[in-house]
Amino acid sequence: RAMTQSPGTLSGSPGETVTLSCTASQSISSNLAWYQQKPGQPPRLLIYDASSRATGVPARFSGSGFGAEFTLTISNLQSEDFAVYYCQQYGNWPPTLSFGGGTKVEIK
Amino acid sequence: QITLKESGPTLVKPRQTLTLTCTFSGFSLTTSGEGVAWIRQPPGKALEWLALYYWSDDKRYSPSLKNRLSITKDTSKSRVVLTMANMDPVDTATYYCVHRSQEGYSGYDIFFDYWGQGIPVTVSS
Repeated sequence: RAMTQSPGTLSGSPGETVTLSCTASQSISSNLAWYQQKPGQPPRLLIYDASSRATGVPARFSGSGFGAEFTLTISNLQSEDFAVYYCQQYGNWPPTLSFGGGTKVEIK
Repeated sequence: QITLKESGPTLVKPRQTLTLTCTFSGFSLTTSGEGVAWIRQPPGKALEWLALYYWSDDKRYSPSLKNRLSITKDTSKSRVVLTMANMDPVDTATYYCVHRSQEGYSGYDIFFDYWGQGIPVTVSS
């Protein structure tokens, strides 16, 4: 199952709201996770089951979607949010876990 | 507190076999629902799942790489070992050891809440 993220790069200013998209090649129900990766660091789990925030993740991060179309919204963009974001699908058996190509959120 | 740490060679030659070890703490791979996986990331590129070891001793592999991969565990020492045969320069990447989150409702819910720092592996003669 291929995952496609758009846009490849997104520019935003602190305080703004940005929306990232992730599209699955076929329906995956709500079996989607989002990760944030900063340079030189491993990814960090933000969202699972499309809309559930992982422990310690600020409320300005929200996920939505079902089936094949998903979004990650970052409200009130903070300086520490500038990073690359990846989506990951799961839920099938045997597992064929796959990640999207990533969206880089950069400072406008 | 869950921690994972990768170890192994950072330079391998083409056609050699890569062996990486993940040493973890804060959980037991004999506990129901637990799992440890390997994920890699070529420089400047996206993440790619490689293999997963479940508490039940079930092992799963990426379909595109399954013929080259083997994942095993050493429960007594809280370690998981990944071997990848016939290495090629395109396998140059940072390899991460990761913990399967227990937040999922079922065994099909596989996403990762703890990551090691990663080990960079270069394949070059």
